[in-house]
Amino acid sequence: EAQVTQNPRYLITVTGKKLTVTCSQNMNHEYMSWYRQDPGLGLRQIYYSMNVEVTDKGDVPEGYKVSRKEKRNFPLILESPSPNQTSLYFCASSLNSGLPNYGYTFGSGTRLTVV
Amino acid sequence: SQQGEEDPQALSIQEGENATMNCSYKTSINNLQWYRQNSGRGLVHLILIRSNEREKHSGRLRVTLDTSKKSSSLLITASRAADTASYFCATLGGDSGYALNFGKGTSLLVTP
Repeated sequence: EAQVTQNPRYLITVTGKKLTVTCSQNMNHEYMSWYRQDPGLGLRQIYYSMNVEVTDKGDVPEGYKVSRKEKRNFPLILESPSPNQTSLYFCASSLNSGLPNYGYTFGSGTRLTVV
Repeated sequence: SQQGEEDPQALSIQEGENATMNCSYKTSINNLQWYRQNSGRGLVHLILIRSNEREKHSGRLRVTLDTSKKSSSLLITASRAADTASYFCATLGGDSGYALNFGKGTSLLVTP
């Protein structure tokens, strides 16, 4: 089944403890992206990647890192999480490497709580 | 960054009725997309309309795009309880470049 898989689904962590949220897609998509969703603010893009070893900042990149060493994986790294990073996170992928003209496929989300 | 804005924020209708949601945006776009999100779940892509298209259909969905007014509408005909969800428009291109920018969504409740 074509899908984007995120892990974990739920995570509670403490301030400052490094964590990684994994994202993997099995559709050979070139474009991948991370979003966070917060009440009243909608979805905001954190980082995106147009292909292997190509990543770029979205609207709210502060406090996050990403890497794209393989086409299928796009992990989101929080080096020193803070409570304001408590949010619902989504990974998404799309076929094109250029200006995407295809819809995105979203993962099921990771609900992160930082205490 | 550019962001679509949906209207209304919330909509409540009965099964069998049509639901119309609107989206406005600020600058030129390459395409506009509509997504559905069931509570706390991932977004599901519904339909994409390119900037040179004016109307598109998919099953019970009808999307229109008016680039002169920078607006789009999503019509769901003969609504069902299973259509209860949040609906988001998202724009791509123009000033936002490669970022798909989402609005804050319309929350649709369809009651039996």
